Amino acid sequence: GAVVSQHPSRVICKSGTSVKIECRSLDFQATTMFWYRQFPKQSLMLMATSNEGSKATYEQGVEKDKFLINHASLTLSTLTVTSAHPEDSSFYICSARGGGSYQAFFGQGTRLTVV
Amino acid sequence: ELKVEQNPLFLSMQEGKNYTIYCNYSTTSDRLYWYRQDPGKSLESLFVLLSNGAVKQEGRLMASLDTKARLSTLHITAAVHDLSATYFCAVDSNFGNEKLTFGTGTRLTIIP
Repeated sequence: GAVVSQHPSRVICKSGTSVKIECRSLDFQATTMFWYRQFPKQSLMLMATSNEGSKATYEQGVEKDKFLINHASLTLSTLTVTSAHPEDSSFYICSARGGGSYQAFFGQGTRLTVV
Repeated sequence: ELKVEQNPLFLSMQEGKNYTIYCNYSTTSDRLYWYRQDPGKSLESLFVLLSNGAVKQEGRLMASLDTKARLSTLHITAAVHDLSATYFCAVDSNFGNEKLTFGTGTRLTIIP
């Protein structure tokens, strides 16, 4: 199956700093990428949808200025958590769709800890 | 707004037993997905169900879709410990925006 690579898998950062998470589709062109957040023992919560070359569409309640999403190419989307605070600590997962498949392919996830 | 509910939320069962996880959704959709998640890991795709009446089986897991009832089931046959995980169903919206809406998840624990 198609591969989506997410990096880094774990990151610890200081409060007030910014963190960038990358999501790459390795063997297909992802027309749409999605960013999810998952709190412990809960389901995935969609944060935003991004299409290559256009602005991301954020879900209600997600701060655009805090979670910057860039989808610069058909194989790369990035999520930048700006001025991170401890409450931003979570598991972030990206997903990509495209390549003529109905499937959504998921990255490995990034465990963010803000101290 | 599309809502997806799973039940049960928690399931503890003995090895060798059979059980079914249910996934109900609120609006019309023709595509439903089942995923497995192990602790600390991302999602692993199990099944893609693309039409009414679709049934797919892989090992001890079998998934089915009834679009008229807006219901999918994930049936576990003769459970083994390796199946312990959290299982999510997810539904495609029919609005062409490719968003998946996830169910609440079912945490399955298989007891030896």
